[in-house]
Amino acid sequence: AQSVAQPEDQVNVAEGNPLTVKCTYSVSGNPYLFWYVQYPNRGLQFLLKYITGDNLVKGSYGFEAEFNKSQTSFHLKKPSALVSDSALYFCALYNFNKFYFGSGTKLNVKP
Amino acid sequence: DGGITQSPKYLFRKEGQNVTLSCEQNLNHDAMYWYRQDPGQGLRLIYYSQIVNDFQKGDIAEGYSVSREKKESFPLTVTSAQKNPTAFYLCASSYHRDRGYNEQFFGPGTRLTVL
Repeated sequence: AQSVAQPEDQVNVAEGNPLTVKCTYSVSGNPYLFWYVQYPNRGLQFLLKYITGDNLVKGSYGFEAEFNKSQTSFHLKKPSALVSDSALYFCALYNFNKFYFGSGTKLNVKP
Repeated sequence: DGGITQSPKYLFRKEGQNVTLSCEQNLNHDAMYWYRQDPGQGLRLIYYSQIVNDFQKGDIAEGYSVSREKKESFPLTVTSAQKNPTAFYLCASSYHRDRGYNEQFFGPGTRLTVL
């Protein structure tokens, strides 16, 4: 069975500090992984994806994610957080024509 | 501008009524999806469609129905059989897997409230 887990409901970080939002997955076959961001009362916006190739994927707004096959993880990172990064972040897995989403992690960046 | 639109933004329904949520895309995407979002539960798949005139049930299809008569449109009907329909509904689209593993584009959502 395929699934995505985001173990942290909320992550708090000070502006200017690095941030990490965690995601682990379970899938039979190759993992196709995505990160999205959602601002209040809005749809989701695509940040980045891992299909194949380099384990470090760079995306929009300075975000990057590290794919780790042995740990079945795909953590989202940013070297220096901004207050405007505060939002809800979703990790997703694509398998057999469907996307499986994690429960979301609320990122709070404090000035 | 290319994109995916949903209407209305807010919708109020009385118990026992059916309501239809609109989703239109001009991205020439093959696949379309409907999700329901509740606080703390992430996104749950209601229905999805890979091609015109074909669609499949997702994880929580009971009480919902869809049609896919045109590539651009994928309306969702919330029927009176849906016991707890108050939620935020999101529509998404993407290219078919045959064109690569592409991300979904999401509409702005419809917030449905049952009175």
